[in-house]
Amino acid sequence: GENVGLHLPTLSVQEGDNSIINCAYSNSASDYFIWYKQESGKGPQFIIDIRSNMDKRQGQRVTVLLNKTVKHLSLQIAATQPGDSAVYFCAENIGGAGNQFYFGTGTSLTVIP
Amino acid sequence: NAGVTQTPKFQVLKTGQSMTLQCAQDMNHEYMSWYRQDPGMGLRLIHYSVGAGITDQGEVPNGYNVSRSTTEDFPLRLLSAAPSQTSVYFCASRRQGVETQYFGPGTRLLVL
Repeated sequence: GENVGLHLPTLSVQEGDNSIINCAYSNSASDYFIWYKQESGKGPQFIIDIRSNMDKRQGQRVTVLLNKTVKHLSLQIAATQPGDSAVYFCAENIGGAGNQFYFGTGTSLTVIP
Repeated sequence: NAGVTQTPKFQVLKTGQSMTLQCAQDMNHEYMSWYRQDPGMGLRLIHYSVGAGITDQGEVPNGYNVSRSTTEDFPLRLLSAAPSQTSVYFCASRRQGVETQYFGPGTRLLVL
């Protein structure tokens, strides 16, 4: 599969601080990326996506940045809350039949109250 | 809408036993997929379907069969379970032309 990996397996932040979660991808042909949040015992939940023709996309308290030059993706969470504690992982879309996605291993975010 | 539902939530099997993991969605999505999630690894695609009557293999299809007789249901069959199939299995669906997938809550499978 594709090498979609995360730089840090765990991240602890203080409540109210901003969080930054990183992701590296290896296929320069990838044209679509998604960030997912997965809480313990649950399925992945869509957070935000970005296409390769964009550098930045903002949602509610979340921002995704894409640097195609170094094949790097980041998720920024503003004013992190205890409910943000979860595993976050990125997914890369290679295109082709079935539009298969390749998923990173995930970063575990812990928010300290 | 219930979204994507999966049953059972948890299952223990002995090596060689067979079972079917159920997945259903009520969003009329054309695309459905099965993934497995193992510690230290990202979700890996097992099989997928682009519509009723059409299925195809993903990244790790060996040991698994699927069928898609209706738009709503996409069962995953293990014909002869092996300890290497111990994992958490997620079913997902999405609408054709839209990349956003909706995941079910998962089935935790332990093969002894």
